[in-house]
Amino acid sequence: GAGVSQSPSNKVTEKGKDVELRCDPISGHTALYWYRQSLGQGLEFLIYFQGNSAPDKSGLPSDRFSAERTGGSVSTLTIQRTQQEDSAVYLCASSKGPGSTEAFFGQGTRLTVV
Amino acid sequence: AQKVTQAQTEISVVEKEDVTLDCVYETRDTTYYLFWYKQPPSGELVFLIRRNSFDEQNEISGRYSWNFQKSTSSFNFTITASQVVDSAVYFCALSEARLGGSYIPTFGRGTSLIVHP
Repeated sequence: GAGVSQSPSNKVTEKGKDVELRCDPISGHTALYWYRQSLGQGLEFLIYFQGNSAPDKSGLPSDRFSAERTGGSVSTLTIQRTQQEDSAVYLCASSKGPGSTEAFFGQGTRLTVV
Repeated sequence: AQKVTQAQTEISVVEKEDVTLDCVYETRDTTYYLFWYKQPPSGELVFLIRRNSFDEQNEISGRYSWNFQKSTSSFNFTITASQVVDSAVYFCALSEARLGGSYIPTFGRGTSLIVHP
C-alpha cells in the first residue's frame, strides 16, 4: 500500500477482554516495528519483525502481549486480559529491511480499556 | 544501551518567534543515526530528517535547521519564524545497528510545541 495502515483506529474494550490490533506495512517492506505511546510518554519499543520472525521482542511488557506476522506482511498485536494500564496509542512502523534506517509510521490505534 | 533525552516537555511561543528543541543522546557505538519526527494532532509520525554519526554538517531545510554536535552528544532542531501549523509534538530518535543489520529507533519523550497566533 501507499503507507502503513493500522486498524482499528480506535478501540474501546472492557477490562479482562482480549484485543487484536492490525498493521499492514508498506508493500515490500520487510522490517516491521510495534511501539506504544502512553499519555505524556515517548514511544516505547515493543517488538521488531524481520520477515516473519521476531529477532527482538524485548519490549513486550508482559506475557499478555504477543505479536505475529504472516506472509512477511500483515502483523497482529494481541493483548490478552487487558488492563487499564494498557490504554495507549499503539503505533506500527515499517522499513525496507536490514541496512535501512528510516521507519515509516502508521496513524496508530488508540486503545482505551474501561 | 542507547538513550535519548528531550528535557523540554512543552514549549509555547508566539507566531514568528524562533524556537529550538533540544535533544541529547547516549550511545557506545561509533556508527549511529539520529532522527527528528513530527507528530501533528492527527497522530501519524512524520519523518523530518536523518543524520549519520559521521556527518556533523548542519542542515537547513526552509525554516527548519538542525545542529549536530558530537562533542556534546546533541542534535538540536530550530524552527525559524514559527507558524501555527508547526504546533505538534516533536520526537528525537537514535538508531544503532544491531545483529543482522537492523535498526530499531529509540525515541525521546517528545517536546510539545504550541505556536500561538
